[in-house]
Amino acid sequence: TQLLEQSPQFLSIQEGENLTVYCNSSSVFSSLQWYRQEPGEGPVLLVTVVTGGEVKKLKRLTFQFGDARKDSSLHITAAQPGDTGLYLCAGAANTGNQFYFGTGTSLTVIP
Amino acid sequence: EPEVTQTPSHQVTQMGQEVILRCVPISNHLYFYWYRQILGQKVEFLVSFYNNEISEKSEIFDDQFSVERPDGSNFTLKIRSTKLEDSAMYFCASSEARGVGEKLFFGSGTQLSVL
Repeated sequence: TQLLEQSPQFLSIQEGENLTVYCNSSSVFSSLQWYRQEPGEGPVLLVTVVTGGEVKKLKRLTFQFGDARKDSSLHITAAQPGDTGLYLCAGAANTGNQFYFGTGTSLTVIP
Repeated sequence: EPEVTQTPSHQVTQMGQEVILRCVPISNHLYFYWYRQILGQKVEFLVSFYNNEISEKSEIFDDQFSVERPDGSNFTLKIRSTKLEDSAMYFCASSEARGVGEKLFFGSGTQLSVL
């Protein structure tokens, strides 16, 4: 089992602020995904990154995969209340394709 | 848009009882998964299933758990004798292909409460 630590665990910010959440591991991943989960719902895939150093943008969200493929970050610009939710990273190891989830970051954007 | 559906949305059972959680994966998907999320904790992998057999299972998935694809559309998780610590949200997921870039689609979950 690959251990993925996310930080911070909880984040509460004002609308319009920027934020970054982190996903770190000692393991190397063949690919890493970010999900957003709302209460009472299943996780919804936001992005998949596969190449070390890769940066992907999804509107106000910017995802980066570390050069060594052990860590990733999610940056949100000008956060909106609709961004509120639990953000999860999930990694698949080189030796297998099973995705293991991180500990999650619970984001609250206050209007 | 195709989606993974799970029933029931909530299940309450007595300790020691058997429960079956049901899932209908997206129709052209070939890989199926069960995950669980205990309240306030992370999403944990239970089992993956492909070609009518288990591909991989975690240490959580012990002899009390089993999965089945009985009719080509449903994918079920059975817990034979529930324990209090089985209380969690159980998510079914499916994907079209495995490997780098695999896209998992999750259902809305079944909240299992064991009393």
